[in-house]
Amino acid sequence: GQNIDQPTEMTATEGAIVQINCTYQTSGFNGLFWYQQHAGEAPTFLSYNVLDGLEEKGRFSSFLSRSKGYSYLLLKELQMKDSASYLCAVSGHLYNQGGKLIFGQGTELSVKP
Amino acid sequence: SQTIHQWPATLVQPVGSPLSLECTVEGTSNPNLYWYRQAAGRGLQLLFYSVGIGQISSEVPQNLSASRPQDRQFILSSKKLLLSDSGFYLCAWDRVSTEAFFGQGTRLTVV
Repeated sequence: GQNIDQPTEMTATEGAIVQINCTYQTSGFNGLFWYQQHAGEAPTFLSYNVLDGLEEKGRFSSFLSRSKGYSYLLLKELQMKDSASYLCAVSGHLYNQGGKLIFGQGTELSVKP
Repeated sequence: SQTIHQWPATLVQPVGSPLSLECTVEGTSNPNLYWYRQAAGRGLQLLFYSVGIGQISSEVPQNLSASRPQDRQFILSSKKLLLSDSGFYLCAWDRVSTEAFFGQGTRLTVV
């Protein structure tokens, strides 16, 4: 089976740093993605990790440990516009072709002044 | 460049009526295609995925069905809608180890 867990909600202060954790158990692994979703909109891509380690992209960084089935998204210098839902997603093998993209429940981040 | 079109953006349908949501992809060939549903304040639940024409896999038993009549066309259907079918429906495509691209979503309200 496949299972992806992340906290339901988090609160942080403008200008601070916040880390959103994600743990997963999947039957195959083609990579882990983080998406941002504002209310009523489609998700937008933030990051992709397939190898262990940290990927940095501006204020956002994402870390992966395949042996632990663990990832986190790190947001620095938080801005009010960062208030959104953050979705962890895993791409798993599908009959050795294609990728089956499964999402966690999302973490609702509220950034306060 | 690749784009994905999903329509309509909003839909209000009575219980027991049929449903057809269409999604088309441009600028790529043989994509993986997905239909997700999102309840308010929740994550994306995978409903159907497809790796090729006529190849549909269902993730959860439900009142819905999907079809892929052409390589870049994915259709979500129901013969008789239930109140519990209300939600935000998202179509998406990707390739192995690439980011997924989402349609604008369809807000379905069954009344």
